[in-house]
Amino acid sequence: TQLLEQSPQFLSIQEGENLTVYCNSSSVFSSLQWYRQEPGEGPVLLVTVVTGGEVKKLKRLTFQFGDARKDSSLHITAAQTGDTGLYLCAGGGQNFVFGPGTRLSVLP
Amino acid sequence: DTGVSQDPRHKITKRGQNVTFRCDPISEHNRLYWYRQTLGQGPEFLTYFQNEAQLEKSRLLSDRFSAERPKGSFSTLEIQRTEQGDSAMYLCASSLGLAGGPADTQYFGPGTRLTVL
Repeated sequence: TQLLEQSPQFLSIQEGENLTVYCNSSSVFSSLQWYRQEPGEGPVLLVTVVTGGEVKKLKRLTFQFGDARKDSSLHITAAQTGDTGLYLCAGGGQNFVFGPGTRLSVLP
Repeated sequence: DTGVSQDPRHKITKRGQNVTFRCDPISEHNRLYWYRQTLGQGPEFLTYFQNEAQLEKSRLLSDRFSAERPKGSFSTLEIQRTEQGDSAMYLCASSLGLAGGPADTQYFGPGTRLTVL
């Protein structure tokens, strides 16, 4: 069974700070997605990475897929209060597997 | 295209009642997925369809749960004899379903929040 772990589980920072959250597995994934979810809503796709070592940037967000396609990171520069939410990674392959998420709170 | 839609957004029911949820996927998407999400957790896979065929069911999907996608378009998820433990957010997602494609990204609906009293 493919499993994804995310760390940290919770993160509370001040507006303007930088942060990195991690998604790790012992399994290889053909692709990996990052989603952000707000309370009472479905997850919203941020990015899909498919190539080992791939780096994608989305404004202040930088996503990296590990060389071995077993892990990924999300780095946010100069966090804003609007970045608050649950960040989920999900791995593609035989089945779609979600990590438990990192709950981020950005305080003004 | 308006994305994935789900109906209703909220459902409150009494234990023992049956409930049915509907999902309308993105129109050109062949695959449709159902997930359950409880507070503080990531979504857990329940089942998925390739067109009208139900290809996989999780062990989480007990006999009280049934899903259909009769014409390969919208899908319904029915829970019979609901229990308090069924209270959760039920999420639907759809994807293109590219055969062998590594990046078959799923797009999610807003979810149906079920509360069983």
